[in-house]
Amino acid sequence: DTGVSQDPRHKITKRGQNVTFRCDPISEHNRLYWYRQTLGQGPEFLTYFQNEAQLEKSRLLSDRFSAERPKGSFSTLEIQRTEQGDSAMYLCASSLTSLEGENTEAFFGQGTRLTVV
Amino acid sequence: SQKIEQNSEALNIQEGKTATLTCNYTNYSPAYLQWYRQDPGRGPVFLLLIRENEKEKRKERLKVTFDTTLKQSLFHITASQPADSATYLCALDRGRANAGKSTFGDGTTLTVKP
Repeated sequence: DTGVSQDPRHKITKRGQNVTFRCDPISEHNRLYWYRQTLGQGPEFLTYFQNEAQLEKSRLLSDRFSAERPKGSFSTLEIQRTEQGDSAMYLCASSLTSLEGENTEAFFGQGTRLTVV
Repeated sequence: SQKIEQNSEALNIQEGKTATLTCNYTNYSPAYLQWYRQDPGRGPVFLLLIRENEKEKRKERLKVTFDTTLKQSLFHITASQPADSATYLCALDRGRANAGKSTFGDGTTLTVKP
């Protein structure tokens, strides 16, 4: 296993188009997170999954955003009707977290850089 | 909501010196505090995690302290090298049901000059 993989690495799209990103976590990790990062800022939490269940969505995640993790393995993040303000780096991370919530380190992917023109 | 402040956007030091980065937070005390390194155009890389009941943790040239009274963590890199130049992010985690859902600071960019 080579770590968390994200695809594509870069995406340029026209305003109003839909885009979908994919994240493949480390295989034995049960938790998967999506973050968004803009230049000069730290990552902002968007949503996360425990296996296939989406446990929480940030208020940052408007109705145009949807995330899935259908079989508890890979995840997709879709943005519909993209806006210029959606331009950012979208980061995926995974971790192995116990039922008691004992955290272990999160491993991040390289991110997908989205540019909306 | 939790607010995190990391000291000055940029920190420049001479090779061989100790770099000290600060992370201050308001509101609740986190169950975990983590430090990450991020290089331009790449995802963050985990460095160290310290729990609320721990005061200090070390890993090779790295040392993290955690003072829940001051609501502050200090991150030290001793014998710094130009290869340590990067942005360092502090992240807070409430643990338990919220484990892994981290709140990040905006980072401090460290430049180590030869």
